[in-house]
Amino acid sequence: GAGVSQSPRYKVAKRGQDVALRCDPISGHVSLFWYQQALGQGPEFLTYFQNEAQLDKSGLPSDRFFAERPEGSVSTLKIQRTQQEDSAVYLCASSSFPANTYEQYFGPGTRLTVT
Amino acid sequence: RKEVEQDPGPFNVPEGATVAFNCTYSNSASQSFFWYRQDCRKEPKLLMSVYSSGNEDGRFTAQLNRASQYISLLIRDSKLSDSATYLCVVNKGSSASKIIFGSGTRLSIRP
Repeated sequence: GAGVSQSPRYKVAKRGQDVALRCDPISGHVSLFWYQQALGQGPEFLTYFQNEAQLDKSGLPSDRFFAERPEGSVSTLKIQRTQQEDSAVYLCASSSFPANTYEQYFGPGTRLTVT
Repeated sequence: RKEVEQDPGPFNVPEGATVAFNCTYSNSASQSFFWYRQDCRKEPKLLMSVYSSGNEDGRFTAQLNRASQYISLLIRDSKLSDSATYLCVVNKGSSASKIIFGSGTRLSIRP
């Protein structure tokens, strides 16, 4: 079956531009997560949705970051006025709920480079 | 101190060798533990969950030591295809969102 997909796979933005990153989770998966992964580091939690409800956004680094999942399926992570420190791979993951094992299925990520 | 710490490596071992690495966690309330594997420029994929009694999946064995707050991963008879970064993952509570990834241990298997 289809896995988690993300688009675009690569994005180059000039500092100050706004970007929107899309995630299509596995069909029927209730939980959706966004992570930021810097080079040589593990993924760092950004935010979590259960259906359309954003239950945890404690990992969003600043108010320039905004995520939504209006219909409980596709999610968009928006970064306003991008800065160089925003350069990273943004990973989306989905999971079935209730999750006995908390196994998450990751998408291929969007590599964002801010110049 | 980081909540989840791993030796970054790289571990460079010959094919067929046995290799083990640990991961320590700081929060004694942590409830669930996992090992994920991440190939270069790819997404992480679940390798195995770590149960209190330990668990084995083929050449891979995972152990949990709650008293010392670490988990381990042992790979026997290593293959070239085992070369990857191994991420330790700890869930801090009942909320699905309280998941912390370690920075990963890089493993390289040489012929």
